Amino acid sequence: DSGVTQTPKHLITATGQRVTLRCSPRSGDLSVYWYQQSLDQGLQFLIQYYNGEERAKGNILERFSAQQFPDLHSELNLSSLELGDSALYFCASSVGPRTGPDTQYFGPGTRLTVL
Amino acid sequence: GESVGLHLPTLSVQEGDNSIINCAYSNSASDYFIWYKQESGKGPQFIIDIRSNMDKRQGQRVTVLLNKTVKHLSLQIAATQPGDSAVYFCAEKYTGNQFYFGTGTSLTVIP
Repeated sequence: DSGVTQTPKHLITATGQRVTLRCSPRSGDLSVYWYQQSLDQGLQFLIQYYNGEERAKGNILERFSAQQFPDLHSELNLSSLELGDSALYFCASSVGPRTGPDTQYFGPGTRLTVL
Repeated sequence: GESVGLHLPTLSVQEGDNSIINCAYSNSASDYFIWYKQESGKGPQFIIDIRSNMDKRQGQRVTVLLNKTVKHLSLQIAATQPGDSAVYFCAEKYTGNQFYFGTGTSLTVIP
């Protein structure tokens, strides 16, 4: 158990809908990262937040947005869903930017299925 | 763009044998690397890491080797066990704390 929690575990919805995925980082971690993992694909970095502020952006679609709240939990909002958005969405957390490596620890993921 | 790739998408080994999983990276500026293990239905799990100023790092039954000359990373698992069956990802870091992951190698341990 990494200490990172994600809800829900599974989500089934229809095209055009909007969903919200939630992540709680490990105790003491200030950074949260969101990744998308499609079938047979590697992890694609979407976005990073550090202490409530957006820190880095990866391959995140305009239909997707995220935020990190004062209690450090984060939400990933996916709107106007398409079939191709079906994937595993992982959240990871780390202590935060610092000198040297800052290992990311992953949550169990949310499996999104768009029908 | 930069890429992290794996030489082999699948690997099957006999229980008790040693496993070697390889990874090529393309950014010579990458200064930190991690191996993750992902079991079916679970999130990636940290296995071992190595900084670019090291050539080798050992953990419990695992060893990571880094060859910066050819930009190659390998994960060695000693006395492979059925519980080692999973997908293994290497990840490299070169921009802030942004990591780039390979597509993974699926390791199957044959009892």
